Amino acid sequence: AQKVTQAQTEISVVEKEDVTLDCVYETRDTTYYLFWYKQPPSGELVFLIRRNSFDEQNEISGRYSWNFQKSTSSFNFTITASQVVDSAVYFCALSEASGTGNQFYFGTGTSLTVIP
Amino acid sequence: DAGVTQSPTHLIKTRGQHVTLRCSPISGHKSVSWYQQVLGQGPQFIFQYYEKEERGRGNFPDRFSARQFPNYSSELNVNALLLGDSALYLCASSASDRPRNTEAFFGQGTRLTVV
Repeated sequence: AQKVTQAQTEISVVEKEDVTLDCVYETRDTTYYLFWYKQPPSGELVFLIRRNSFDEQNEISGRYSWNFQKSTSSFNFTITASQVVDSAVYFCALSEASGTGNQFYFGTGTSLTVIP
Repeated sequence: DAGVTQSPTHLIKTRGQHVTLRCSPISGHKSVSWYQQVLGQGPQFIFQYYEKEERGRGNFPDRFSARQFPNYSSELNVNALLLGDSALYLCASSASDRPRNTEAFFGQGTRLTVV
């Protein structure tokens, strides 16, 4: 079973629009960690955020914000006033405390294109 | 400070050949993980090493193997290459072997093409 689902394969928005990337996860662990990574065309995964399962506070960092809801097993990512530089593939990932070391389960990614 | 460095950046191999990919973690990081990312998919976990010991193995055949050296750098070896092994191979570096208190930082990857 897929542990992380990113239902949106591709999204296109016009610059300055807000966009939300959805992430739904599945785990039986009570302690787990959720991540968002950005992958530009260069290939490197750039770390954006980590949330612990016991901390449901939403977080804002500049134009980025994250909405973590355990009740719906979702960890959505919103970019406000999108810019062309935001164009990339975004991955949501899960790591379980009971799991193997530091293993990440990644979703299939959402490709975001911001049109100028 | 240097980030995670991987070499080579690109590689073309023929079916049946062997390949070795290399990764140097961030200075001070003792954990190295390897991921395979097939085009259009998310990365899939292959191995994790911490303090030179294997701490985790994903669902990959025995043709895949890895090791970690005393300086914490790592090698991923793939034998008897198949066309399906064509992918971007990513190395992740972290300070801990657990996700509890640390993030994982990724290199730019090695793009392997098997022909």
